[in-house]
Amino acid sequence: DIQMTQSPSSLSASVGDRVTITCRASQSINTYLNWYQQKPGKAPGLLIYAASSLQSGVPSRFSGSGSGTDFTLTISSLQPEDFATYFCHRSHSTPHTFGQGTKLEIK
Amino acid sequence: EVQLVESGGGLVQPGGSLRLSCAASGFSFSSYWMSWVRQAPGKGLEWVANINQDGSAKYYMDSVKGRFTISRDNAMNSLYLQMKSLRAEDTAMYYCAREASSGSWYYDYWGQGTLVTVSS
Repeated sequence: DIQMTQSPSSLSASVGDRVTITCRASQSINTYLNWYQQKPGKAPGLLIYAASSLQSGVPSRFSGSGSGTDFTLTISSLQPEDFATYFCHRSHSTPHTFGQGTKLEIK
Repeated sequence: EVQLVESGGGLVQPGGSLRLSCAASGFSFSSYWMSWVRQAPGKGLEWVANINQDGSAKYYMDSVKGRFTISRDNAMNSLYLQMKSLRAEDTAMYYCAREASSGSWYYDYWGQGTLVTVSS
């Protein structure tokens, strides 16, 4: 099975900071990589699909890049509502797999 | 408006059974693959199973094969997960999710989840 390794597992940052989260696949997954945001007590929500496509309604401060095995999610200027947990996800073939998550906390 | 509403969770003893349901509305249910994804308390997300549009293709994570069965009723716009021989490690919030595809397969809509607790 393809494993997804996400880093860091937690991150402290301030409003206005630029933040980058990385996700590495154990083998090439082309651009079959998605990113989700989850707030406490809520279901995850889609941010980025196909590595770099912004889901409708998601603010443009979120961006994704990468292909093959290495991917990044960048938040250009953190807003208070962005403090949450972020997961990468690959789904081209089963089993679909997620990264272990990155908890973004207020510094 | 796309809506996915799960139900059927609860407290069950180890070895017991439970059937989860997911009622879909606001889209053409029969046109989409659907998935179940779970999240143990305080843990990450874990894909459980998925099913194609007409129910002819079903896939499962290894640890639930032979114990869980995913199914759907397109006439009722509903997705199901029959769970048998439940174990403590199956304790989780279970989400149903719609699969979309455009350059990648991804979950564009999720339900609010239903909590399954396996404990004596």
